[in-house]
Amino acid sequence: AQTVTQSQPEMSVQEAETVTLSCTYDTSESDYYLFWYKQPPSRQMILVIRQEAYKQQNATENRFSVNFQKAAKSFSLKISDSQLGDAAMYFCAYRTLRRGNQFYFGTGTSLTVIP
Amino acid sequence: DAGVTQSPTHLIKTRGQQVTLRCSPKSGHDTVSWYQQALGQGPQFIFQYYEEEERQRGNFPDRFSGHQFPNYSSELNVNALLLGDSALYLCASSGKGPTSTDTQYFGPGTRLTVL
Repeated sequence: AQTVTQSQPEMSVQEAETVTLSCTYDTSESDYYLFWYKQPPSRQMILVIRQEAYKQQNATENRFSVNFQKAAKSFSLKISDSQLGDAAMYFCAYRTLRRGNQFYFGTGTSLTVIP
Repeated sequence: DAGVTQSPTHLIKTRGQQVTLRCSPKSGHDTVSWYQQALGQGPQFIFQYYEEEERQRGNFPDRFSGHQFPNYSSELNVNALLLGDSALYLCASSGKGPTSTDTQYFGPGTRLTVL
């Protein structure tokens, strides 16, 4: 089974600064999707960004961007110009294209934004 | 456009009891997946429903069962509750069937506490 590892249980960043959250995964598949989800204290899991493995170009969504290194099986999230509203638990997720597009999640990184 | 909704928000049960959680998918979505998120952990895939049938199942015992209705809404049933079943239960929906690569949207979850 695929595994997703987030080695940073907690991170903090000063408001307006940049922070990078790490994620590695293990798979033998060549085609898959990777996601970053944000889960605020309100519990609703919100999609931050998505990357298709077949695309070499790193995905970006406004202040959020990823560094996708397929050979290294690494998928980090960079948050630029951090805002107080970015404080949340961030989950990295792997989606297989087999077995019903099942998701595999990491254990999460709790991000604190310091005013 | 309503997103994914879940009910109830919170639930308290005692060991040995049975519980039913409900989920209504986002408008236009036909596939529903259920996840269990233990405290401090990432979501774990329970199973997925499409066309009123269970299509994929994670590593969960038969005490966990589900159902999907013709209107695509879904129920998760857990029998013979154990203390370890205490968790946040998330429902996620997506469109175009289990092989679709459409983004999966999550509901706010149901917090189940087993005493």
